Amino acid sequence: KAGVTQTPRYLIKTRGQQVTLSCSPISGHRSVSWYQQTPGQGLQFLFEYFSETQRNKGNFPGRFSGRQFSNSRSEMNVSTLELGDSALYLCASSLVGGTDYNEQFFGPGTRLTVL
Amino acid sequence: DQQVKQNSPSLSVQEGRISILNCDYTNSMFDYFLWYKKYPAEGPTFLISISSIKDKNEDGRFTVFLNKSAKHLSLHIVPSQPGDSAVYFCAASDNFNKFYFGSGTKLNVKP
Repeated sequence: KAGVTQTPRYLIKTRGQQVTLSCSPISGHRSVSWYQQTPGQGLQFLFEYFSETQRNKGNFPGRFSGRQFSNSRSEMNVSTLELGDSALYLCASSLVGGTDYNEQFFGPGTRLTVL
Repeated sequence: DQQVKQNSPSLSVQEGRISILNCDYTNSMFDYFLWYKKYPAEGPTFLISISSIKDKNEDGRFTVFLNKSAKHLSLHIVPSQPGDSAVYFCAASDNFNKFYFGSGTKLNVKP
């Protein structure tokens, strides 16, 4: 079974631009979560999607948004990029979620650098 | 506000000895706790978990201990091996789909 894939793996943008990151979950997984990893801060939860609906949200500004498609693939978008948005963005998928704890499987991440 | 904290950014241990990684949390509503391991250029991989109804869970060389009154959990690796060298994250949840992670502890196991 293929794992969680994220594209692109590396991205360089400048301040003020916007960016879209993509995540393809493991086949059959319907829950997709996004995390931001920065040095010293660990992984911070951005949001979680299930059946094309945002089910949970972290404490990030509205510049961070996401969506999920009917095939469970997910995208996250960051508008008006700031230098502090430079981070590793990780996507994780799980089978269902909502009724029990399911193991999350992480992708390798997209390394975003904002200049 | 960091609800899950790993106060040791790094830990160095000799091969064959015990590694103890610690994690503290502030939210008493957390009912599920996990440890993940992360190698460079890879996403975190699940290692072991524990429900709040237990105080210990063991899986091979890995044991997680939960002290609810102290809001503290720890991961013990016995014996430690060089391949265990990685960054370890603890995570906690009170909701099946939202997890709070610590900042990670980089473990170095010396041969």
